[in-house]
Amino acid sequence: EVQLVQSGAEVKKPGESLKISCKASGYSFSNYWITWVRQMPGKGLEWMGVIFPGDSDARYGPSFQGQVTISVDKSINAAYLHWTNLKASDTATYYCATSITVSDYWGQGTRVTVSS
Amino acid sequence: DVVMTQSPLSLPVTLGQPASISCRSSQSLLYGDGNTYLNWFHQRPGQSPRRLIYKVSNRDSGVPDRFSGSGSGSDFTLTISRVEAEDVGVYYCMQGTHWPRSFGQGTKLEIK
Repeated sequence: EVQLVQSGAEVKKPGESLKISCKASGYSFSNYWITWVRQMPGKGLEWMGVIFPGDSDARYGPSFQGQVTISVDKSINAAYLHWTNLKASDTATYYCATSITVSDYWGQGTRVTVSS
Repeated sequence: DVVMTQSPLSLPVTLGQPASISCRSSQSLLYGDGNTYLNWFHQRPGQSPRRLIYKVSNRDSGVPDRFSGSGSGSDFTLTISRVEAEDVGVYYCMQGTHWPRSFGQGTKLEIK
């Protein structure tokens, strides 16, 4: 069974760093793109970027380039979203997702709150 | 970058009645391999999104056949033939043809 299990909710202060994770199981992790999606409170879905675990090829949406880093650790089948300087505007729920052949899978979401 | 525009943004529907959501892209979504990568997602409050339709008109496994997708080029439609109570939530289109990928603003379906 394919599963994407995300790390738990985080509360951080502006200027802090953060790394959230998406742990995959039930499929060949290296062979399928992982997508990250942001959803700010009460707002719509925003495509942040993707990474291909096989070669760590990462692509970003224009609003997220330089603001966040997407990475993977193939040894433990995990994808990450990393901030070095959090802002209040990073407060959101973050989802990871993958498409495998004709099926689509999403994590449960990680809520990040950035507040002084 | 490709802009996805949905309409309407709010859709009150009576149970058992049909509903349609339009999605237009600022560029054609026809890819060089002959496929058009337009997906539809549904998100209920407090839940993760779920894909309903991929490549314009293909229903995902487990999606009721009252949901259908149509369109081509840059003009697409999601149709629900008879709305049921479980269909409430927000519907998003998303293009997977051009980089970066992009979502529509979302259409909130509610029961009248």
